[in-house]
Amino acid sequence: NAGVTQTPKFRVLKTGQSMTLLCAQDMNHEYMYWYRQDPGMGLRLIHYSVGEGTTAKGEVPDGYNVSRLKKQNFLLGLESAAPSQTSVYFCASSPLSNQPQHFGDGTRLSIL
Amino acid sequence: SQKIEQNSEALNIQEGKTATLTCNYTNYSPAYLQWYRQDPGRGPVFLLLIRENEKEKRKERLKVTFDTTLKQSLFHITASQPADSATYLCAPLSGTASKLTFGTGTRLQVTL
Repeated sequence: NAGVTQTPKFRVLKTGQSMTLLCAQDMNHEYMYWYRQDPGMGLRLIHYSVGEGTTAKGEVPDGYNVSRLKKQNFLLGLESAAPSQTSVYFCASSPLSNQPQHFGDGTRLSIL
Repeated sequence: SQKIEQNSEALNIQEGKTATLTCNYTNYSPAYLQWYRQDPGRGPVFLLLIRENEKEKRKERLKVTFDTTLKQSLFHITASQPADSATYLCAPLSGTASKLTFGTGTRLQVTL
């Protein structure tokens, strides 16, 4: 049982490059979330989805886009990477909003 | 604005003692409060959920209390072990909200 799988695990980008982070869950959860975690800042919600085909902005959405074309996948895109987006990105899923979230092990992204 | 406070300083305790971690929140009326554990380089893992009408919740050596008057939750680990060393995150959730907000976490270090 894989749970939540994030791809890739590590990535180094140059400023201005674009990339997509993939999150896949095999638990048939409705809700999916993208967070970033920076030292001293804790987990901050970027975007989330309450079901297939839906997306919504979280606390820090600027510079990111997301898509949820399939229920099991939630993609996070950086169109033009900036050094301020250097962070660890976590994806999570839950059956409903008030139920426990299951997290992946993160993508460590460095932007030079 | 909504604010969640967890002690940013590490809590160092001796093996066998009870560890108590605090989560205070302001401008919130959470219907639920969740606690997670995060190990270095890993995603958070759900531990316990407590509802506003529950004063206390237990799971093995873990105990969570929820005082809506004080706007505080306490997380206790009894008979602590070095394997309990990790960062612990609290996350209150309002009843109508569709997303969690996490505290910055408290790092617990259990020594022999």
